[in-house]
Amino acid sequence: DVKVTQSSRYLVKRTGEKVFLECVQDMDHENMFWYRQDPGLGLRLIYFSYDVKMKEKGDIPEGYSVSREKKERFSLILESASTNQTSMYLCASKGSSYEQYFGPGTRLTVT
Amino acid sequence: AQKITQTQPGMFVQEKEAVTLDCTYDTSDPSYGLFWYKQPSSGEMIFLIYQGSYDQQNATEGRYSLNFQKARKSANLVISASQLGDSAMYFCAMRDLYSGAGSYQLTFGKGTKLSVIP
Repeated sequence: DVKVTQSSRYLVKRTGEKVFLECVQDMDHENMFWYRQDPGLGLRLIYFSYDVKMKEKGDIPEGYSVSREKKERFSLILESASTNQTSMYLCASKGSSYEQYFGPGTRLTVT
Repeated sequence: AQKITQTQPGMFVQEKEAVTLDCTYDTSDPSYGLFWYKQPSSGEMIFLIYQGSYDQQNATEGRYSLNFQKARKSANLVISASQLGDSAMYFCAMRDLYSGAGSYQLTFGKGTKLSVIP
């Protein structure tokens, strides 16, 4: 079974803090994704990566950056957290099949 | 640009009954894939079923089937014999199937909350 893990299920940070969300997959997938999910808006893609050190912006990259130094790990970085970044963050990975496999999500609250 | 529309914010179904969750899509790409995901209250997105635009037959996976009507641009999910564990949010999604990593991103609808009543 594919396993995608995220470093925290719940996280509370203060405005202005630098926040790291970590995602690890164990299936040697080349493609990894970060989404945010907000009520009534569905999932929106922030960034994705198709190889180590390669990244592409998604639909809502503003205020975020990413890092992929190793194939199994994809990090989402909030350089200076703001209250409008309070959300559920979902990481996913994809191999040669069509579907993406998701992690359990991190519910981030910025106060 | 691709767009997914799920018009039912919430649905109720009696246990053991069948239920259809609606999904319509819009795309200019001739080759695309359609997906359904389930999200229980725990938060994890679970892949349910996939349909390619050129697939001749509707996809089925156990109690899940996808009613694909290409001309109407609809990809409804049918759950047969509903169970209490089916209570969850359901998301329809799509992506184009052209080669290249840029095509891998999924476009999601806003979801439908299904509640199964005992």
